[in-house]
Amino acid sequence: NAGVTQTPKFQVLKTGQSMTLQCAQDMNHNSMYWYRQDPGMGLRLIYYSASEGTTDKGEVPNGYNVSRLNKREFSLRLESAAPSQTSVYFCASSDAYGYTFGSGTRLTVV
Amino acid sequence: GEDVEQSLFLSVREGDSSVINCTYTDSSSTYLYWYKQEPGAGLQLLTYIFSNMDMKQDQRLTVLLNKKDKHLSLRIADTQTGDSAIYFCAETSGYSTLTFGKGTMLLVSP
Repeated sequence: NAGVTQTPKFQVLKTGQSMTLQCAQDMNHNSMYWYRQDPGMGLRLIYYSASEGTTDKGEVPNGYNVSRLNKREFSLRLESAAPSQTSVYFCASSDAYGYTFGSGTRLTVV
Repeated sequence: GEDVEQSLFLSVREGDSSVINCTYTDSSSTYLYWYKQEPGAGLQLLTYIFSNMDMKQDQRLTVLLNKKDKHLSLRIADTQTGDSAIYFCAETSGYSTLTFGKGTMLLVSP
């Protein structure tokens, strides 16, 4: 099925460890996004990429880096994980008709 | 920054109509969306409306837009237990990223 694929689905990290969340879309969308979802906070934008080769900060970028590897792939990296980064992370891509979301990565930092 | 507000919780009985309300502040909002999130899942686009429309109907869903008051509502007719989920209102001007409300949890009891 066409859509947005995120890996992994679940991850537990120790404080200070690093990891990369992977995201790929097969809809030929130019724009891609990383959001985090916390209880009672809705979805907050971490970083986005309007097109291949460009990235921009969103509302909550601190502690994260991103790479737009090619048109299909947009990865999110935590260099030194902190308990405050425990969250559900969603990748999305968009065209003129709207956004398509992945199924999420549930990350726990202990 | 731009803001989107929703009530946090709505409880209805099966067969009743549900109305979920949303207000937004960005006067340049062009596209307004309703997303549904079931437990443990990603966000699914339910419907959308352009700012030059007052109403859009799609099967059991009716979206009403009052652009003057910056008020958006989603009415679900004949609500079923399968409609229990979190519903997010979101807006964009088309030149900006999507801004989400914090979500309304809809609980449908038999």
